[in-house]
Amino acid sequence: GPKVLQIPSHQIIDMGQMVTLNCDPVSNHLYFYWYKQILGQQMEFLVNFYNGKVMEKSKLFKDQFSVERPDGSYFTLKIQPTALEDSAVYFCASSLTGGANERLFFGHGTKLSVL
Amino acid sequence: QEKVQQSPESLIVPEGAMSSLNCTFSNSASQSIWWYQQHPGKGPEALISIFSNGNKKEGRLTVYLNRASLHVSLHIRDSQPSDSAVYLCAVSMRSFNKLTFGAGTRLAVCP
Repeated sequence: GPKVLQIPSHQIIDMGQMVTLNCDPVSNHLYFYWYKQILGQQMEFLVNFYNGKVMEKSKLFKDQFSVERPDGSYFTLKIQPTALEDSAVYFCASSLTGGANERLFFGHGTKLSVL
Repeated sequence: QEKVQQSPESLIVPEGAMSSLNCTFSNSASQSIWWYQQHPGKGPEALISIFSNGNKKEGRLTVYLNRASLHVSLHIRDSQPSDSAVYLCAVSMRSFNKLTFGAGTRLAVCP
């Protein structure tokens, strides 16, 4: 079936540094999402993105976070600077139309460890 | 803000038995309710969704939705060891398919 690829699978970084998480969404999908899952806690919505714009973001999407998808390449989540509380697994997802009843396809996640 | 609660936290059933998982949500204006399956180290994978009151059956899966009581349940008939995973209940709101997830039910099916 359709696959969302996330690169890298694990990233270790020192607090204060910048990190970029990469996502290759399903090829014909138009809506993209980032979710955050802290170990032992539920997955939480960060942001969704369509046509080059952030459509909606949660309180977890701090000013240090940014997303983009330049020229149809990777959909990226950048954190600058990183903080200890950013340690989590970040899941990328995509969907075709963004409709409220449409299935999301998720990647396997990038585990971010901030030291 | 939407809240999603799942029970039980963990469930152990013998192979061949019925597995029953529960989910309650807080907003009756929610759109679809989804069940996702997540294996260790993997992303969630959608199993089944329901929008209207009543039940929906797909293969060994049956989901029941009661919007009046804000409750949805997932039942897995003839459970197999390969069904062992975390099951996430997710509620979709109108806005651009933003999902609110529950904490999950960890299902273990013993041979």
